[in-house]
Amino acid sequence: DTGVSQDPRHKITKRGQNVTFRCDPISEHNRLYWYRQTLGQGPEFLTYFQNEAQLEKSRLLSDRFSAERPKGSFSTLEIQRTEQGDSAMYLCASSLVGMDRGPSYEQYFGPGTRLTVT
Amino acid sequence: AQKITQTQPGMFVQEKEAVTLDCTYDTSDPSYGLFWYKQPSSGEMIFLIYQGSYDQQNATEGRYSLNFQKARKSANLVISASQLGDSAMYFCAMRDWSTDKLIFGTGTRLQVFP
Repeated sequence: DTGVSQDPRHKITKRGQNVTFRCDPISEHNRLYWYRQTLGQGPEFLTYFQNEAQLEKSRLLSDRFSAERPKGSFSTLEIQRTEQGDSAMYLCASSLVGMDRGPSYEQYFGPGTRLTVT
Repeated sequence: AQKITQTQPGMFVQEKEAVTLDCTYDTSDPSYGLFWYKQPSSGEMIFLIYQGSYDQQNATEGRYSLNFQKARKSANLVISASQLGDSAMYFCAMRDWSTDKLIFGTGTRLQVFP
């Protein structure tokens, strides 16, 4: 396992359609994060999981967005009834957080899924 | 609320020269972590360097060093001996201690020319 993988890398969809993205984290990592990055901006946090539990959701994550991590391994992010404003790069990251929550762990990012809503 | 500010939209540097990318942050939490990531045109975010709020010394990783001035709330990235492959977007980020999410700045586009 060489890193975080995301599928697909690119997705073009028509407004109103549903889309689903997949993220496979580094195998032993217990935390998984989703971020969204629009053109010219830094990534913005959407949600994160500790194993299979979804611990926080950003206000950016409207009711049309849902994320799952059913077995504590891979995760999916679904967007229903896509809108043009959903066009962005969706980044997944993972990290290994021990019980002592050591201070210097970093989040490893995948290559992202670029979504274009026409 | 925590905030990261990067005031340089773009920077140019000649190959083999050093360059400093600015980052200021705002937080009321005494415990925090600061990160720098590189994002090439391919899109992936590459971790470069980390500085903890209680670290006594500035972090260094190879050609990267972090000029951490806690009183000024600044965490500037210094790249020494720039290479053409350093051309990319650079993001400064802060970790929210309670949730571990990263809060990013708007980034600086660095272009290294021969």
